[in-house]
Amino acid sequence: EAQVTQNPRYLITVTGKKLTVTCSQNMNHEYMSWYRQDPGLGLRQIYYSMNVEVTDKGDVPEGYKVSRKEKRNFPLILESPSPNQTSLYFCASSSDTGGNQPQHFGDGTRLSIL
Amino acid sequence: AQKITQTQPGMFVQEKEAVTLDCTYDTSDQSYGLFWYKQPSSGEMIFLIYQGSYDEQNATEGRYSLNFQKARKSANLVISASQLGDSAMYFCAMSHTSGTYKYIFGTGTRLKVLA
Repeated sequence: EAQVTQNPRYLITVTGKKLTVTCSQNMNHEYMSWYRQDPGLGLRQIYYSMNVEVTDKGDVPEGYKVSRKEKRNFPLILESPSPNQTSLYFCASSSDTGGNQPQHFGDGTRLSIL
Repeated sequence: AQKITQTQPGMFVQEKEAVTLDCTYDTSDQSYGLFWYKQPSSGEMIFLIYQGSYDEQNATEGRYSLNFQKARKSANLVISASQLGDSAMYFCAMSHTSGTYKYIFGTGTRLKVLA
């Protein structure tokens, strides 16, 4: 089954404790992206990747890191999480780097930073 | 600046009636794509429909159609014959196909279908 898999689905942690949210897709997609969803703000893009070793900032990259060492994986790293990073996070992938194909989304990761 | 605006935070529609969800966008690019996604209360994001900036015909997918008015920079979603299962949050989104490959989402419209 074609899918984007995020882990964990839920995480409660404390300020400053490094964490990684994993994202993996099995569709051989070139384009991958991370979003955060906050009430009243919709989805905001954090980082995206056009291909292996090619990443770029979205609209809200501060406090986050990403890497794309393999085509299928695109982890999101919070080196020193803070409470304002409490949010619902989505990973997504698309077959088209040109933006003409829809994105496939993971089920989301709800992060609470205390 | 590139932006998506959804001015209707919430809407109600009677079952079996049609409803239009508004979306306006702002971009100086000539090449872009417009998408609508549905997010039910369970939280997953479901792709509904796509319109390319160079497409002359309005996109349709089953009960969904996209009313694309390029000069007005609007991309409204029309849902015909609403069903109870259409109750969800709906997001309009824009991609850019040159220069930057960012995606931008609107703030969403919560639709409630009434029996």
